[in-house]
Amino acid sequence: GNSVTQMEGPVTLSEEAFLTINCTYTATGYPSLFWYVQYPGEGLQLLLKATKADDKGSNKGFEATYRKETTSFHLEKGSVQVSDSAVYFCALRRMDSSYKLIFGSGTRLLVRP
Amino acid sequence: EAGVAQSPRYKIIEKRQSVAFWCNPISGHATLYWYQQILGQGPKLLIQFQNNGVVDDSQLPKDRFSAERLKGVDSTLKIQPAKLEDSAVYLCASSSLKHGTGGNTGELFFGEGSRLTVL
Repeated sequence: GNSVTQMEGPVTLSEEAFLTINCTYTATGYPSLFWYVQYPGEGLQLLLKATKADDKGSNKGFEATYRKETTSFHLEKGSVQVSDSAVYFCALRRMDSSYKLIFGSGTRLLVRP
Repeated sequence: EAGVAQSPRYKIIEKRQSVAFWCNPISGHATLYWYQQILGQGPKLLIQFQNNGVVDDSQLPKDRFSAERLKGVDSTLKIQPAKLEDSAVYLCASSSLKHGTGGNTGELFFGEGSRLTVL
């Protein structure tokens, strides 16, 4: 079936450190891949997306590359800020007729000053 | 542009009681979703509407959960009777993506969620 696996958190980093949050997926066909972010007390927001193999999504200094050969979509940022503290969800969109989003379990990031 | 509105933000009930959540999607969005997010887990789709028709309700516990989207705009999600394991955040999302039209664009916009605690 279709599923998303994320690294468990929390991930605790100092400000300006390099961030990687791992995400791998299982899917039939060629799904679209997404990273959503949930800041404290707020709803989910789309951070970035990639719709085909080798695409790189980027936004707010975050990047993720759609790797079909390793079925991965790891999230990276070169220098994190305290304001990046949030829960990050990796998700895939099925390519059948329902276009349903399937989420990973989320990874909490805590950035300390 | 106004976002997805949900109410109430918080609700505490005892088991076996009933509760209803309301969602107003972004204007013009044909597709509406209800997700359940249990603490420590990712959101799980409960039901997906396109206009006022159900596209996918395969994960909706139909013995206690019901949802409707009359007139293809606002939606309500009801739980009756509630169980302890229903404690979660109920997220509503909307999208301009239309089921069955092909393509893979169409961002989902989420509301802030309704947090339910069942005692």
